[in-house]
Amino acid sequence: DAKTTQPPSMDCAEGRAANLPCNHSTISGNEYVYWYRQIHSQGPQYIIHGLKNNETNEMASLIITEDRKSSTLILPHATLRDTAVYYCILRSGGSNYKLTFGKGTLLTVNP
Amino acid sequence: ETGVTQSPTHLIKTRGQQVTLRCSSQSGHNTVSWYQQALGQGPQFIFQYYREEENGRGNFPPRFSGLQFPNYSSELNVNALELDDSALYLCASSFWTGDRFYGYTFGSGTRLTVV
Repeated sequence: DAKTTQPPSMDCAEGRAANLPCNHSTISGNEYVYWYRQIHSQGPQYIIHGLKNNETNEMASLIITEDRKSSTLILPHATLRDTAVYYCILRSGGSNYKLTFGKGTLLTVNP
Repeated sequence: ETGVTQSPTHLIKTRGQQVTLRCSSQSGHNTVSWYQQALGQGPQFIFQYYREEENGRGNFPPRFSGLQFPNYSSELNVNALELDDSALYLCASSFWTGDRFYGYTFGSGTRLTVV
């Protein structure tokens, strides 16, 4: 079972920042927070991941709370092409790197 | 650099038949995983292969089997197809050094319909 909780849907206006929350209150010390997104009929696309520090790349920023029990994915300037299902996933180390997906958040960016 | 490619893109099979789905990993990747995604659900982990051996499996019956080849391409085989096997099957490849894992690259999937 997925160990993360996300809202089922969110809306955002084009050009505004999209802030997608994720709760992972039972996260353990060696688990990373990963974010993927899936645009309709395509495979999931990696966005960003982090352990305990905030991370930023060309696509997004990831803010992880100090107690690591929740995180927020930020798309700074959402476009229509960012409309997708966003998955917040915990992944532990070791040799089995399976990703346990939940149902994710459907982000709809409106013109 | 090529991405992950899967074939075929769509497939229709009859209940009870067998099916083989194929995946070509991204260049340089040595790990491949397969996922099943039912309509409206997130992908579910089937199994993972590293250096041609299965090293992780999800909650799927033995009629789901796989192979990874020396060139790191792979196959997913499903025997005795059931109607509930209708789903999008995703292949994901990555590179693992033994102490560091690099994120997965997913293919676009094979849409399997069992009638």
